[in-house]
Amino acid sequence: GQNIDQPTEMTATEGAIVQINCTYQTSGFNGLFWYQQHAGEAPTFLSYNVLDGLEEKGRFSSFLSRSKGYSYLLLKELQMKDSASYLCAVLDSNYQLIWGAGTKLIIKP
Amino acid sequence: DVKVTQSSRYLVKRTGEKVFLECVQDMDHENMFWYRQDPGLGLRLIYFSYDVKMKEKGDIPEGYSVSREKKERFSLILESASTNQTSMYLCASSRQGVESTEAFFGQGTRLTVV
Repeated sequence: GQNIDQPTEMTATEGAIVQINCTYQTSGFNGLFWYQQHAGEAPTFLSYNVLDGLEEKGRFSSFLSRSKGYSYLLLKELQMKDSASYLCAVLDSNYQLIWGAGTKLIIKP
Repeated sequence: DVKVTQSSRYLVKRTGEKVFLECVQDMDHENMFWYRQDPGLGLRLIYFSYDVKMKEKGDIPEGYSVSREKKERFSLILESASTNQTSMYLCASSRQGVESTEAFFGQGTRLTVV
């Protein structure tokens, strides 16, 4: 079966750095997405990785290792508004998105 | 500004009612999707469509049907609502193609079946 694992919940301090991990086992791989979802709102796109390595976009970076079936989202200089759920999703061989359950990130002052 | 619009933010229906959830996108996207989101389960695909009048079952189609008569509109139908269909329903659309197919989401409909 297809499976995406990410921690259910993480807590971090304002101004700090946090890394949210995602491991996946899917039938084929055509890219990995990270989305941010604030409570009661729709998910919004953060990043897309299809090649190994680190993609940096401001305070957010996303890393991919296809051989390990592993990705992480790195958030630097955390702000209170970063409190949200972070969803990992993999595009499989049929170009279907397979979603993880999401990681709820709590930021404390 | 790209937009996916769902007809209702909150909906309360009775068991056995027929329920229609509407979704409209203005990006001329070929692909449209209906998901439900429940705590701890992530997004689960109900149905999707890659073209007008075309529909494919997702992972959990039972108890649902869909309609896509026009490219911009994708409707989800609960034939006879049941309490286990109480959930957040999210519509999404994306471009067709083999490259990055970023999905754009509507604001969600929180459906309660009583």
